[in-house]
Amino acid sequence: EPEVTQTPSHQVTQMGQEVILRCVPISNHLYFYWYRQILGQKVEFLVSFYNNEISEKSEIFDDQFSVERPDGSNFTLKIRSTKLEDSAMYFCASSEGSGVRTDTQYFGPGTRLTVL
Amino acid sequence: DQQVKQNSPSLSVQEGRISILNCDYTNSMFDYFLWYKKYPAEGPTFLISISSIKDKNEDGRFTVFLNKSAKHLSLHIVPSQPGDSAVYFCAASGASGTYKYIFGTGTRLKVLA
Repeated sequence: EPEVTQTPSHQVTQMGQEVILRCVPISNHLYFYWYRQILGQKVEFLVSFYNNEISEKSEIFDDQFSVERPDGSNFTLKIRSTKLEDSAMYFCASSEGSGVRTDTQYFGPGTRLTVL
Repeated sequence: DQQVKQNSPSLSVQEGRISILNCDYTNSMFDYFLWYKKYPAEGPTFLISISSIKDKNEDGRFTVFLNKSAKHLSLHIVPSQPGDSAVYFCAASGASGTYKYIFGTGTRLKVLA
């Protein structure tokens, strides 16, 4: 069964450093998403991406964050200068993008980001 | 942001019995609702969904009920199995025509053998 994959599974970084989290969405999916879950809190939406551009972003997704689809398979989330409060599980998701808003989003296993 | 709430942080059920997980929402614009299951160190796994034009959707042991007037949905698992032990999240979308999901805080289900 096709699945969303994410690398690395765990990333440890120093405050102020840049990190790139990588995702390979399900191959025929056209919509891509990033969510995060701070320990003990809700899963929160960060950004959605379609047709090589951001379609929606939350207030969390400020200028320190960016997303990119550098090739036909990868989807990346970059945090330019990490802060302690960026420590969280980051989940990538994808959906078919058939134009029906009830497309289900399928999630990857997550990357645990720890900022020291 | 308390638009989607799961008021029971945990639930314990005997194997073979029914598990009922509840979720309330406040935004009447939501029109698509989902349940995800999550094991530790894994991502949310899609279980079942329901559109606001329906009041029930069934898939094997899992049934989701939607009560729009009460802004309430529930997930029934019958019969419950030890492998169902996980954290269950409800999610909603559709407010302002967006695709993003708004998640609840989760309910930890423990099925006792």
